[in-house]
Amino acid sequence: RKEVEQDPGPFNVPEGATVAFNCTYSNSASQSFFWYRQDCRKEPKLLMSVYSSGNEDGRFTAQLNRASQYISLLIRDSKLSDSATYLCVIEEGGFKTIFGAGTRLFVKA
Amino acid sequence: DAGITQSPRYKITETGRQVTLMCHQTWSHSYMFWYRQDLGHGLRLIYYSAAADITDKGEVPDGYVVSRSKTENFPLTLESATRSQTSVYFCASSGNQGRGDTQYFGPGTRLTVL
Repeated sequence: RKEVEQDPGPFNVPEGATVAFNCTYSNSASQSFFWYRQDCRKEPKLLMSVYSSGNEDGRFTAQLNRASQYISLLIRDSKLSDSATYLCVIEEGGFKTIFGAGTRLFVKA
Repeated sequence: DAGITQSPRYKITETGRQVTLMCHQTWSHSYMFWYRQDLGHGLRLIYYSAAADITDKGEVPDGYVVSRSKTENFPLTLESATRSQTSVYFCASSGNQGRGDTQYFGPGTRLTVL
């Protein structure tokens, strides 16, 4: 089993749609969780951290399920500008940070 | 306001040549990282550094050398480039790695080895 697994997509959705991504991780001792966004040919940038209680930032909601070892990202009211690759990032502690291969999202007019 | 920069942004070289990729950050972050990103793979850690003069291997260190004589600089050297090292290389820095702090990435260097 891979340490971090994401559905590569692509997810093709119309503007205004709600879309959700999941990411599973294998190490139950993982400590910190993040979603990063990466635009085509650009560097990854932090989208949001993921907390056990779940957290929201505008149209974006992130959740962590430690029992089932996954994190999720929900995007409501999708915009064209949301088109990007979303990377799941798991910190296992110390210097071990694992990046998922990413889920590609295309939002169409 | 530079943040973290990388140079060159694009590089084409030949098999067997030595290549050095530069990374510079202006935040005085203690932690710095080098990753490579290839199609179908997530970012893979090559080397990291916890402070000046402290470096350690990541997941894929073979064929690479790093140094960190100053906090702000973290150069990555390919001693004898191979075609398998064709990739996009990202440098990153963090103020408080391992404690939930985010990593900030440079714009990347696209390296092609012919």
